[in-house]
Amino acid sequence: GQNIDQPTEMTATEGAIVQINCTYQTSGFNGLFWYQQHAGEAPTFLSYNVLDGLEEKGRFSSFLSRSKGYSYLLLKELQMKDSASYLCAVMDSNYQLIWGAGTKLIIKP
Amino acid sequence: GAVVSQHPSRVICKSGTSVKIECRSLDFQATTMFWYRQFPKQSLMLMATSNEGSKATYEQGVEKDKFLINHASLTLSTLTVTSAHPEDSSFYICSARDATSGEYNEQFFGPGTRLTVL
Repeated sequence: GQNIDQPTEMTATEGAIVQINCTYQTSGFNGLFWYQQHAGEAPTFLSYNVLDGLEEKGRFSSFLSRSKGYSYLLLKELQMKDSASYLCAVMDSNYQLIWGAGTKLIIKP
Repeated sequence: GAVVSQHPSRVICKSGTSVKIECRSLDFQATTMFWYRQFPKQSLMLMATSNEGSKATYEQGVEKDKFLINHASLTLSTLTVTSAHPEDSSFYICSARDATSGEYNEQFFGPGTRLTVL
């Protein structure tokens, strides 16, 4: 079966760095997405990885290792507004998104 | 960037009534639209995929006669929850994909519709 695993909840301090991991097992692979979702709102796109390596975009970076079925989202210089759920999603061979359950990130002052 | 709108953003209805939710792509043609449901503290659950001009493909366990999906044009898809019951109360989110452009088939999400069935 298809499976996406990510931690349920993480806590970090304002100004610090946090890494949210995601492991996956899917039928086929056409890229991995990270989305941010604030409570009561729809997800917003953060990043996309289809090749191995690190993609950097401002304070956020995303890493992919296809051989290990592994990705992480790295958030630097954390701000209170970064408190949200972070969803990992893999596009399978049918171009369907398979979603993880999301990681709730709590930022403390 | 691509914008997807949903209407209404919030709806409260009585049990047994039907509710229609609209999803529109405002600045691109959405060849494919997706309908998701999200219960509190849970991840997105895909309900169905619809391609313009054809019948929707429903995920296992989703009743097609209860959740009617129409994708009559390249910019509009509708989800009708028929004979709604309290257990249908949820956050319904649509997303749209323009397969003719973009690097990686990104899905653009609407803002979601909060449905509460009394």
